[in-house]
Amino acid sequence: DTGVSQDPRHKITKRGQNVTFRCDPISEHNRLYWYRQTLGQGPEFLTYFQNEAQLEKSRLLSDRFSAERPKGSFSTLEIQRTEQGDSAMYLCASSSRTGSNTDTQYFGPGTRLTVL
Amino acid sequence: DAKTTQPPSMDCAEGRAANLPCNHSTISGNEYVYWYRQIHSQGPQYIIHGLKNNETNEMASLIITEDRKSSTLILPHATLRDTAVYYCIVRSHIQGAQKLVFGQGTRLTINP
Repeated sequence: DTGVSQDPRHKITKRGQNVTFRCDPISEHNRLYWYRQTLGQGPEFLTYFQNEAQLEKSRLLSDRFSAERPKGSFSTLEIQRTEQGDSAMYLCASSSRTGSNTDTQYFGPGTRLTVL
Repeated sequence: DAKTTQPPSMDCAEGRAANLPCNHSTISGNEYVYWYRQIHSQGPQYIIHGLKNNETNEMASLIITEDRKSSTLILPHATLRDTAVYYCIVRSHIQGAQKLVFGQGTRLTINP
């Protein structure tokens, strides 16, 4: 257990429905990341927050995806009008860049989304 | 695109040292080498990272060649629980370079 938690761990939804995932980072970490992993592939970066500011978004993050980190603590990732191609594992990671800390990212267990 | 090349799969006998190679011939001076592993259906687990010196922790050792174009992750006494996909990643620590770029990794199987 890295201290990063994600909820839910599994989600099954029908095409066209909206889903929301939550990530709680390690408490003192000011950076939070979302990645997506499809079967047989390595994780792919989606977006990154420093405190409450969203500083980078991948082109993979289409208009149907939105992420927030309203108070610089937990984060949510929402997918609107889900498509079967959204089926994947959604991973959250957190890190802290302070002083000489090298900003190592620690990952949560992931949320596995299945879109029927 | 990932900046590293790893063999797609490797086997190792339980109790032996597992040596996982990684080629990163285009690594730049400010980039670190990171290793993560991912056990089936779990999130990636951080193992170790280094810049140019060899590093050791309770999980593994990292050997980086003098020209920094390749490295080897060593699991000194592999157990069945070390069966996983191992990812070698190069990453800068400069501002604006936070994301990890994963390749396909090496699927390591530890055999009894």
